[in-house]
Amino acid sequence: DVKVTQSSRYLVKRTGEKVFLECVQDMDHENMFWYRQDPGLGLRLIYFSYDVKMKEKGDIPEGYSVSREKKERFSLILESASTNQTSMYLCASSVQTYEQYFGPGTRLTVT
Amino acid sequence: KQEVTQIPAALSVPEGENLVLNCSFTDSAIYNLQWFRQDPGKGLTSLLLIQSSQREQTSGRLNASLDKSSGRSTLYIAASQPGDSATYLCAVKDDYKLSFGAGTTVTVRA
Repeated sequence: DVKVTQSSRYLVKRTGEKVFLECVQDMDHENMFWYRQDPGLGLRLIYFSYDVKMKEKGDIPEGYSVSREKKERFSLILESASTNQTSMYLCASSVQTYEQYFGPGTRLTVT
Repeated sequence: KQEVTQIPAALSVPEGENLVLNCSFTDSAIYNLQWFRQDPGKGLTSLLLIQSSQREQTSGRLNASLDKSSGRSTLYIAASQPGDSATYLCAVKDDYKLSFGAGTTVTVRA
């Protein structure tokens, strides 16, 4: 069965902290994605990766960076967390143009 | 820029009624279209994927159609149940990414 896991379901951090969100997939997928979801704004793509050590900016990359050192793991990094980064963060993976599989999400609150 | 619209934004039906959810997109040059279900506070569950060369896909009580030339897709859920209550999202894939609609929130009343 397809599985995408995210390191935390809920996370509370302080303004200015460095935050790491981890995503792991067990399907040997080439593509991995990070989205954020906000009421009224829907899902927006932050970054994606189509191979190990490769990354591309999505629609809203400002304030974020990513790391993909192994095929199965894709990390989202908030260099200096701010309150406007409070959101639901969703990770997904896929093979080529086939369907994307999503993780359970991480609800991040920055205070 | 791809724009994806879902109408209606919310829907409430009695149990047993068929559901019809609509999705429209502005750029017909897509690879595929995917329907998702999202329960409150949870991640997205993939329901159906329709490749651009296909006209429809079926899974159990779910049927999705795609008319690429007119930029429309419809998700039909037959004989709705209270457990179908959720938000349904459509997303189209063009180039490297998915573009999502805002979703239709469905409530099925017992």
